[in-house]
Amino acid sequence: ETGVTQTPRHLVMGMTNKKSLKCEQHLGHNAMYWYKQSAKKPLELMFVYNFKEQTENNSVPSRFSPECPNSSHLFLHLHTLQPEDSALYLCASSQDYPIIPNYGYTFGSGTRLTVV
Amino acid sequence: AQSVTQPDIHITVSEGASLELRCNYSYGATPYLFWYVQSPGQGLQLLLKYFSGDTLVQGIKGFEAEFKRSQSSFNLRKPSVHWSDAAEYFCAVALNSGGYQKVTFGTGTKLQVIP
Repeated sequence: ETGVTQTPRHLVMGMTNKKSLKCEQHLGHNAMYWYKQSAKKPLELMFVYNFKEQTENNSVPSRFSPECPNSSHLFLHLHTLQPEDSALYLCASSQDYPIIPNYGYTFGSGTRLTVV
Repeated sequence: AQSVTQPDIHITVSEGASLELRCNYSYGATPYLFWYVQSPGQGLQLLLKYFSGDTLVQGIKGFEAEFKRSQSSFNLRKPSVHWSDAAEYFCAVALNSGGYQKVTFGTGTKLQVIP
């Protein structure tokens, strides 16, 4: 258990479905991140939230919609996804942003998403 | 633009043998450097980091890494590999750019440990 909890661990959804990924941390961190991990590609930063405010959106398609109701919870709402969106979605947190965290990033175990 | 290269996609070593995983970065200044490990079905766990000071840094699980400015490298080493070290290893480079963090991960090196 890393301190960052992601649910569900696995998700299979059709292209017309709507689903949400959840991330929760009780480490007292102020920043939370969504990353996409695809096979043979570097981790791609999707969104950054700092003190509940979206700070970065790295040109992510609108079919991905993040929500951060408080500093401890982060959601990724999914709708009308494409098969190429199948990947491992990782949530991470850090104490500070934009200062590079002295203790690195704490990652969750990820949600393995398959779009059919 | 900064980049991180992990030239070895897959490495196989025997248990008890030494290990070195390569990481090269491309950036003019000295960035912050990290190594993470990802076990199957898990997220990334921080092994060690370099911010400044001593260029040989010690991490968890018996790993160490050496920053070599002249070679723009930050290679990860372990003197004796254990079967539980089988995982994927990611090098990451971070710097402050325009007031924001800019973190770039390598594509990873998958380590297989054989008896």
